[in-house]
Amino acid sequence: QSVLTQPPSVSGAPGQRVTISCTGSSSNIGAGYDVHWYQQLPGTAPKLLIYGNSNRPSGVPDRFSGSKSGTSASLAITGLQAEDEADYYCQSYDSSFNWVFGGGTKLTVL
Amino acid sequence: EVQLVQSGAEVKKPGESLKISCKGSGYSFTSYWIGWVRQMPGKGLEWMGIIYPGDSDTRYSPSFQGQVTISADKSISTAYLQWSSLKASDTAMYYCARGHGDYVNYWGQGTLVTVSS
Repeated sequence: QSVLTQPPSVSGAPGQRVTISCTGSSSNIGAGYDVHWYQQLPGTAPKLLIYGNSNRPSGVPDRFSGSKSGTSASLAITGLQAEDEADYYCQSYDSSFNWVFGGGTKLTVL
Repeated sequence: EVQLVQSGAEVKKPGESLKISCKGSGYSFTSYWIGWVRQMPGKGLEWMGIIYPGDSDTRYSPSFQGQVTISADKSISTAYLQWSSLKASDTAMYYCARGHGDYVNYWGQGTLVTVSS
């Protein structure tokens, strides 16, 4: 069981909007630590998607956005495309466990 | 260009020792922490620990404390992850990752470790 909780799977049709939640606690997200998001395409290393809750690295399309509130964070993907089919992970810092990942969410594009 | 190049896949027997590597280039190796991440087959990402190559300060996630050793040789810009006695449950892909603040902005390509009798 991961310290950060994500839904195991989400799905959406091309062009739709999907969101992936990341729920933590008062020892991590709720303590004010930033949340970051990574995309892992099948058979590849993860890639930074969102850092500092809502910032996109250069090259990441603005279809991807992040937000944080209280003990939770969310990743939103608009205008869903087939190439977005991947696993998505949130990550933060926890005062007990140091750096932690969420369990991951598999996005299926229908 | 920042690159993290990891050593190749390994096949080992239970009880054997192993040391895998991650060579950084294209940046000041001592200025950014390097972390190791485990991904067991079909599973999610797990932080193992990090090292600051500048002073070798090392921090382990509780689940991996005492199970592995993380080290770095700044003279050759290389970080290491080692086991003294492998178990079948160590079979996984291992990624090294360069940190920026409290997130990762560069990843190695991964090293697959298979432990089987």
